[in-house]
Amino acid sequence: DAKTTQPNSMESNEEEPVHLPCNHSTISGTDYIHWYRQLPSQGPEYVIHGLTSNVNNRMASLAIAEDRKSSTLILHRATLRDAAVYYCILGGFFGNEKLTFGTGTRLTIIP
Amino acid sequence: DTEVTQTPKHLVMGMTNKKSLKCEQHMGHRAMYWYKQKAKKPPELMFVYSYEKLSINESVPSRFSPECPNSSLLNLHLHALQPEDSALYLCASSQGLRGPNGYTFGSGTRLTVV
Repeated sequence: DAKTTQPNSMESNEEEPVHLPCNHSTISGTDYIHWYRQLPSQGPEYVIHGLTSNVNNRMASLAIAEDRKSSTLILHRATLRDAAVYYCILGGFFGNEKLTFGTGTRLTIIP
Repeated sequence: DTEVTQTPKHLVMGMTNKKSLKCEQHMGHRAMYWYKQKAKKPPELMFVYSYEKLSINESVPSRFSPECPNSSLLNLHLHALQPEDSALYLCASSQGLRGPNGYTFGSGTRLTVV
């Protein structure tokens, strides 16, 4: 499985943008980049995914480097409810693949 | 219905007990998954079912026995567990189609083995 590297933890002030980085230098041509987050006492929740182009949805934006070896999840205006562990995961081309979680980034939001 | 429902939410069992965890989804998803998550660690895959057939078993001990009776249900049968098997057990589902399917996770069953 292609691996991802994320900072263990990050802090951000409430109502400010947050940029969560992910390195994936061994990404293959068919790997999608997925982001999930896990709030306390809940199962992981889908955030966004992309292949080559930058992506936006109601939750976040995903910026993908031109060489695809890194990506950044952008929360445009962090709220206290965004405090969670954020996982960057590669794969998902075949539709029934396993998602292999890395250690993720624990995001703390400061009021 | 856009949820994965897991029951029970909490389970305490002795090492000689037999119990089952249940997972249900009504989104028409054809791939279902069991993950195990220890405290402060990421989820680890245990099993994948694709179109009701077991497609991936991540070398899980035989005291964990999965079952997929139909496309909406996934069970995990537990027998002779050890205290180190105490964890949060997560079920997930995805469409199972080629392409970037989103995975929907349940809230999990918190299992304590005594």
